[in-house]
Amino acid sequence: NAGVMQNPRHLVRRRGQEARLRCSPMKGHSHVYWYRQLPEEGLKFMVYLQKENIIDESGMPKERFSAEFPKEGPSILRIQQVVRGDSAAYFCASSPKVPYNEQFFGPGTRLTVL
Amino acid sequence: QKEVEQNSGPLSVPEGAIASLNCTYSDRGSQSFFWYRQYSGKSPELIMFIYSNGDKEDGRFTAQLNKASQYVSLLIRDSQPSDSATYLCAVIHNQAGTALIFGKGTTLSVSS
Repeated sequence: NAGVMQNPRHLVRRRGQEARLRCSPMKGHSHVYWYRQLPEEGLKFMVYLQKENIIDESGMPKERFSAEFPKEGPSILRIQQVVRGDSAAYFCASSPKVPYNEQFFGPGTRLTVL
Repeated sequence: QKEVEQNSGPLSVPEGAIASLNCTYSDRGSQSFFWYRQYSGKSPELIMFIYSNGDKEDGRFTAQLNKASQYVSLLIRDSQPSDSATYLCAVIHNQAGTALIFGKGTTLSVSS
């Protein structure tokens, strides 16, 4: 499967726990993006990363959220001390180059906070 | 505030008809324009992108861009029930050319 991979597909956490979402971009893609889709809302940009660098995190909440894309391994979106309002679908996308190029989305992680 | 506006619908068309989906954007400096299809509970799937004024055709899909009017549309010819989904318009607007700004989507329903 040469597409964007995300895991887990579904994640349930209790309030106060940590959530770790993983994303492996398409083969040959070195640009990774994270988006969040809240219930009844549109997709919102969170962060853009290249290997070992956060390039644009203008859409990330200021607290509890962080992202990384290490030299080896998948990109990780980390949410500390989750709250019910974090329940959403989190999508990762990748592109082969920038700027202004098309982005391909993974299947998403559905996070439910109890 | 950079915005992308779409009519939420639902847009209902009979099978075989042309479906016309519209989108306006607020940032005149926007460079790239995309249409994604999203089935309920699934991820967005890229179906068209357009960078220049005019029309771009791909199979049953035609994207139209008018930068002067800040307007982009998607036409689906010979609509099929399998086209029933939410169609998301997205624009890349930031100087870095990286962040997609999405509209809230138009729900299309194609009846057989």
